Amino acid sequence: EAGVAQSPRYKIIEKRQSVAFWCNPISGHATLYWYQQILGQGPKLLIQFQNNGVVDDSQLPKDRFSAERLKGVDSTLKIQPAKLEDSAVYLCASRGRVEGQAYEQYFGPGTRLTVT
Amino acid sequence: RKEVEQDPGPFNVPEGATVAFNCTYSNSASQSFFWYRQDCRKEPKLLMSVYSSGNEDGRFTAQLNRASQYISLLIRDSKLSDSATYLCVVRKPNTGFQKLVFGTGTRLLVSP
Repeated sequence: EAGVAQSPRYKIIEKRQSVAFWCNPISGHATLYWYQQILGQGPKLLIQFQNNGVVDDSQLPKDRFSAERLKGVDSTLKIQPAKLEDSAVYLCASRGRVEGQAYEQYFGPGTRLTVT
Repeated sequence: RKEVEQDPGPFNVPEGATVAFNCTYSNSASQSFFWYRQDCRKEPKLLMSVYSSGNEDGRFTAQLNRASQYISLLIRDSKLSDSATYLCVVRKPNTGFQKLVFGTGTRLLVSP
């Protein structure tokens, strides 16, 4: 059964460079989330989409982070320019029902970003 | 005050032990609560929802105390495979779409 897909799985960049992450949610899931998880902390919501509209981006550092979900399916998260403190795992999640399981958020494997 | 607070641990227990984690939340209007499990370098996965009356799933029991604003997770007869980080999660109230707030997680290490 397909889950939430993310790529790349790992990325190393230098500070001030740009980077983009891609997410493909579970088919049919209208709600999509991007989280940032810094080592030793819980995931922190960056942005939430309902179909192709932004529901909540209050914790997204908009001076450097941007995200889009143009057709209401795939989403990309971009950082430009990156800072050292952006080193984290970026998790994408989608919410909906998976056959035989609860109506909940399902997470992708994440993209581990290291900024040097 | 953080919205969701947990003891980061680690909790080191032998196989077969019973271990309990607590979590406190700051917003008394919160209505929905969850425990997620996160294995090392993996994504979080829902372990169980927490209901007002308390609920049990095999060796795992979740309790909610609204008066004191805390949630607990009890694991009985610990297995090596229970070693993971357990994230306490609270749904923000008064949001039209589900918005979850995660605690920092409590790390559990079960040893032979």
